[in-house]
Amino acid sequence: EIVLTQSPATLSLSPGERATLSCRASQSVSSYLAWYQQKPGQAPRLLIYDASNRATGIPARFSGSGSGTDFTLTISSLEPEDFTVYYCQQRSNWYTFGQGTKLEIK
Amino acid sequence: QVQLVESGGGLVKPGGSLRLSCAASGFSFSDYYMSWIRQAPGKGLEWLSYISTSGSTTYYTDSVKGRFTISRDNAKNSLSLQMNSLRGDDTAVYYCARTGRYTPDYFDYWGQGALVTVSS
Repeated sequence: EIVLTQSPATLSLSPGERATLSCRASQSVSSYLAWYQQKPGQAPRLLIYDASNRATGIPARFSGSGSGTDFTLTISSLEPEDFTVYYCQQRSNWYTFGQGTKLEIK
Repeated sequence: QVQLVESGGGLVKPGGSLRLSCAASGFSFSDYYMSWIRQAPGKGLEWLSYISTSGSTTYYTDSVKGRFTISRDNAKNSLSLQMNSLRGDDTAVYYCARTGRYTPDYFDYWGQGALVTVSS
């Protein structure tokens, strides 16, 4: 099983700041990595697929990068609605998710 | 617009059974792989199973293999998950999710979830 480790577990920032979330895979997943946003009481929403492609309707402030084992989700300028939980997920070998990063208001 | 609506959740005793359903609309259901994914209270996400467009191919994660069965009815635009021999650690919100057109891919649309509680 491919294990995805997200860091940090919690990130404290202010609106308008830049957020950088990391996801490391236990073995190469090529570019088969996605990022999801989950707000309390809601289902996850696909943000980024294949490491760097924004899903339909996702604002340009969200971007993804990386390949192999190291990936990054960047939110260029945080909006109030961005403070929630983010998960990475790989589909290189079945499907596994990271444990999540909580983005909280500083 | 794409809609996925789960139903069938509830309280069940350990060892019991429950069947979840997912009604799909707003897209050509028979063209898409579909999955079930769960999230235990306060925890992360766990993919459980997917089914091919025709239903002929199914895969399961080890934790539910032999206990859960995924199926679909393309004529009714419906996905199901039959859950048997339920345990306390099966307590979770269960989501159905669209999983790629003609081939397995990412989870681009999700239902709102159905809560399953396994407790005596």
